[in-house]
Amino acid sequence: AQKVTQAQTEISVVEKEDVTLDCVYETRDTTYYLFWYKQPPSGELVFLIRRNSFDEQNEISGRYSWNFQKSTSSFNFTITASQVVDSAVYFCALSEPNTGFQKLVFGTGTRLLVSP
Amino acid sequence: NAGVTQTPKFRVLKTGQSMTLLCAQDMNHEYMYWYRQDPGMGLRLIHYSVGEGTTAKGEVPDGYNVSRLKKQNFLLGLESAAPSQTSVYFCASSVLSEQYFGPGTRLTVT
Repeated sequence: AQKVTQAQTEISVVEKEDVTLDCVYETRDTTYYLFWYKQPPSGELVFLIRRNSFDEQNEISGRYSWNFQKSTSSFNFTITASQVVDSAVYFCALSEPNTGFQKLVFGTGTRLLVSP
Repeated sequence: NAGVTQTPKFRVLKTGQSMTLLCAQDMNHEYMYWYRQDPGMGLRLIHYSVGEGTTAKGEVPDGYNVSRLKKQNFLLGLESAAPSQTSVYFCASSVLSEQYFGPGTRLTVT
């Protein structure tokens, strides 16, 4: 069965610090997608990134970067120079191929608190 | 273009009461989902639908029923609410595996 583990329940940093959120996944499929979602205090879920299993290149988007390593089954998310607005719960997720990659399995989330 | 909308936003029920949560999307997506979010447990899939007229069970389907009579709507029903169903409920729709979420419904069962 597919599984996503986010071992860090909560992380607290001071503004401008770099922070990495860990995500480890389990799957028997060779083709799959990985995702990160952000849930700010307002409660909505915001899509951040989708990565397919054949693309191991790191991705950078502004202060956000993602490191995908199939060898360790990890898809970690780094925020550089964190800001108070980054405070949120972040979810990692994995898609299942048996429904055309439409079904997601979520991790339990990591709460990030950025203080001024 | 409203995306995914959910009604109501908040609801308080007494044990044994019934209610229906409505999810609507205007993106013409085939796939729709209902999740519940509980503290420390992330999002868990209740039911999902791969198209109009079809539904399937997710990870935690017990106590819930769903219907997808129209492509744009996905209804979640609680026939006899229990305190264990106190949660935040999210609806989502998807295309190409990217899921778009509604704003959530906070349900409290007393």
